[in-house]
Amino acid sequence: DTAVSQTPKYLVTQMGNDKSIKCEQNLGHDTMYWYKQDSKKFLKIMFSYNNKELIINETVPNRFSPKSPDKAHLNLHINSLELGDSAVYFCASSQGDVHTEAFFGQGTRLTVV
Amino acid sequence: AQSVTQLGSHVSVSEGALVLLRCNYSSSVPPYLFWYVQYPNQGLQLLLKYTTGATLVKGINGFEAEFKKSETSFHLTKPSAHMSDAAEYFCAVSLSRLTGRRALTFGSGTRLQVQP
Repeated sequence: DTAVSQTPKYLVTQMGNDKSIKCEQNLGHDTMYWYKQDSKKFLKIMFSYNNKELIINETVPNRFSPKSPDKAHLNLHINSLELGDSAVYFCASSQGDVHTEAFFGQGTRLTVV
Repeated sequence: AQSVTQLGSHVSVSEGALVLLRCNYSSSVPPYLFWYVQYPNQGLQLLLKYTTGATLVKGINGFEAEFKKSETSFHLTKPSAHMSDAAEYFCAVSLSRLTGRRALTFGSGTRLQVQP
């Protein structure tokens, strides 16, 4: 039973399209995250939600909009996709402070053509 | 601002040899420190972490790391490399205890190759 699951695993789309990535965790954690891993493997935080409230919003284009319908779900919607959005997007979750273990999903590889 | 530096984007060792992956952080206050491993096309898995207490931390798969405040380092070691250790390794820090910011800052990663 997967702890943090993301769908889809692969996403290929054309420039200008709108797409969503879904994330669900069954660990009962109160904090969820979206990280972006670029082509050089560099990982950077994008958003963080705690109990459905946005607590971290890094300098990410407005085209990226996270939504947390409940504590177990954190979705990422991207409008007007650009070539530079191609990356692997990871969802993660943790309970309480981040010094507790963060569990990561398998990642969604987004390719914009 | 906190940052993490991993020296060496690629490290190659022979099977059975010592593995040493280097990580230094820059912070006026010791942060929480983590090592994660990423196998090809997979997510990140926690190897070990340092929060407080004993500075030598043991993790999964025979890895360990030592927090050295004087050197602002948290190097990852394993006495004997196995072929299955080939992966990307990330050092990460968090200052959430002081700043309340719940997010990890990652180093640039080190790819470990294990030669037969």
